Amino acid sequence: GQQVMQIPQYQHVQEGEDFTTYCNSSTTLSNIQWYKQRPGGHPVFLIQLVKSGEVKKQKRLTFQFGEAKKNSSLHITATQTTDVGTYFCAGNTGTASKLTFGTGTRLQVTL
Amino acid sequence: NAGVMQNPRHLVRRRGQEARLRCSPMKGHSHVYWYRQLPEEGLKFMVYLQKENIIDESGMPKERFSAEFPKEGPSILRIQQVVRGDSAAYFCASSPSPIPNEQFFGPGTRLTVL
Repeated sequence: GQQVMQIPQYQHVQEGEDFTTYCNSSTTLSNIQWYKQRPGGHPVFLIQLVKSGEVKKQKRLTFQFGEAKKNSSLHITATQTTDVGTYFCAGNTGTASKLTFGTGTRLQVTL
Repeated sequence: NAGVMQNPRHLVRRRGQEARLRCSPMKGHSHVYWYRQLPEEGLKFMVYLQKENIIDESGMPKERFSAEFPKEGPSILRIQQVVRGDSAAYFCASSPSPIPNEQFFGPGTRLTVL
């Protein structure tokens, strides 16, 4: 079945440093979504990418969808303590009626 | 506009008992998804329902687990004869139309099996 892996599993940065998480799917995706889950909280939708090579920005966050539509990345510039949480990518193949979530990257930011 | 509601937020059951988890989607949303999250792990899809229909239950264990989304009332995830391995957070999400739209998640039900 479809697998979606993320690296790194965990990253600890100092506030102000940049952070990137990478998402890789075993199959070609029709679209990819990104979610953030704070400790003890529930996933919250961040963005959706649909087109090959698409890049979208939300303030300090930059999202990219690979040319082959099998990988994606999320880059945070100048992290803040409010960025703490686990970031999940979630892909859909287009023929399935469900999202397959990645393994997640847990981000810890300290002063 | 209230978000996705789930209750109870915390549920404790002894082995062999039944657990019943409820999810009320956002107003206007007729698509409901259930996910399970083990501690320190990602979300695993369980089942996708529309009103009165199960669309995809490929992630549901074949035994003890069932789900419904009746015409009136919340969606229910039922786990019969719970075992310790069922301890997890169960999240419900809703959307106004099928994937690939954004999913709105509820706060989850944390199930503990003693």
